Amino acid sequence: LAKTTQPISMDSYEGQEVNITCSHNNIATNDYITWYQQFPSQGPRFIIQGYKTKVTNEVASLFIPADRKSSTLSLPRVSLSDTAVYYCLVGVPTTSGTYKYIFGTGTRLKVLA
Amino acid sequence: DAMVIQNPRYQVTQFGKPVTLSCSQTLNHNVMYWYQQKSSQAPKLLFHYYDKDFNNEADTPDNFQSRRPNTSFCFLDIRSPGLGDAAMYLCATSRASLNGKNIQYFGAGTRLSVL
Repeated sequence: LAKTTQPISMDSYEGQEVNITCSHNNIATNDYITWYQQFPSQGPRFIIQGYKTKVTNEVASLFIPADRKSSTLSLPRVSLSDTAVYYCLVGVPTTSGTYKYIFGTGTRLKVLA
Repeated sequence: DAMVIQNPRYQVTQFGKPVTLSCSQTLNHNVMYWYQQKSSQAPKLLFHYYDKDFNNEADTPDNFQSRRPNTSFCFLDIRSPGLGDAAMYLCATSRASLNGKNIQYFGAGTRLSVL
């Protein structure tokens, strides 16, 4: 079973780049890594997904090293509205051929003015 | 427009009184998930449906049951809620994937209080 750990919290100032790392040392060969953002009293919202190397979209970048035992979400130039909890999500194959999804422990990002 | 809708947003029940939470989707996804999220914790998968196939997590208590009458709807039944079942319950959907490459779309959640 994959164990996924993240730093509990991070503070940043507006305009800075923020990097949040997730450790998933037991990730299976074919697992993708997905990151979500969650605001209070809302469901998680998809940010970015990747399998290896680097993925970039309009809101974030995702860096995955060759061994895939960790991944780093990079948020460029954060704003106050980026204050939220960020989770990585890793899929683990089950014996029935489907996937079990394990959320990381979550990182509470606070962006300061 | 909301694509995964959970009703109600807030639910109060009494200790031991059965309660049902509902989830509907307009995405026509064949996988639906139920997660439990307690305060300051990550969501924890309870079970999921792959089409009509029910997949229960090994550590999900028997007190939690689920029904999926059709593609669009899924229900979470808590047969005898205890104080420890007070939490946010999240429904999510995704397309099926054989390699873990999918995106889950979450509803806004139902916050359950047990008195």
